[in-house]
Amino acid sequence: QVQVVESGGGVVQPGGSLRLSCVASGFTFSTYGMHWVRQAPGKGLEWVAFILYDGSNQYYADSVKGRVTISRDNSKNTLYLQMNSLRPDDTAVYYCGAGRHSGLGIDPWGQGTLVTVSS
Amino acid sequence: QSVLTQPPSVSAAPGQKVTISCSGNSSTIGNDYVSWHRQLPGTAPKLLIYENTRRPSGIPDRFSGSKSGTSATLGITRLQTGDEADYYCATWDNSLSAGVFGGGTKLTVL
Repeated sequence: QVQVVESGGGVVQPGGSLRLSCVASGFTFSTYGMHWVRQAPGKGLEWVAFILYDGSNQYYADSVKGRVTISRDNSKNTLYLQMNSLRPDDTAVYYCGAGRHSGLGIDPWGQGTLVTVSS
Repeated sequence: QSVLTQPPSVSAAPGQKVTISCSGNSSTIGNDYVSWHRQLPGTAPKLLIYENTRRPSGIPDRFSGSKSGTSATLGITRLQTGDEADYYCATWDNSLSAGVFGGGTKLTVL
């Protein structure tokens, strides 16, 4: 079964850090770029970051640049999102997804993990 | 404000057809493929259309996509109540080197 499963969400204080993980199965993880996308409560989808299949290049949304690092371990079929200096407006469900097609053709999407930034 | 512009809502009766527009510019839709994603209430998004017109395995042919210049359109025929969801267009912004989504369109099947 082709799927990705996120973990690592939780409640963190403003200024804190959190690392999200995304484990892939059912497809050749090492051949696809991977995305992180988030959705604040009651809001639309916001693209966060993308990493190439081999980890050689990373791309970030301006809203998280300098505070977030996307990385991957192809030997573990795992994608990561290290988030630092978290702010209340980072509160969202974070989804990972495989960039199997151009133009943000993300497939599959994970079920998401909730990050809440609050004191 | 999203880089890609979608109508906030559309509605139609069961069995009818609806279209959802997505407007971008030369750096976004004019420069890359467009995908469409559906998000049913309380669930994760799911890919509906990729590379402007192609459907993943398991997506019925009631769903279609098209692109012209800097705009794209999602079409849904033979509407069902189960199609009620939020629909998002997406693409890559070549000038920002970043992914972009439309603001989403809520479909109501009356």
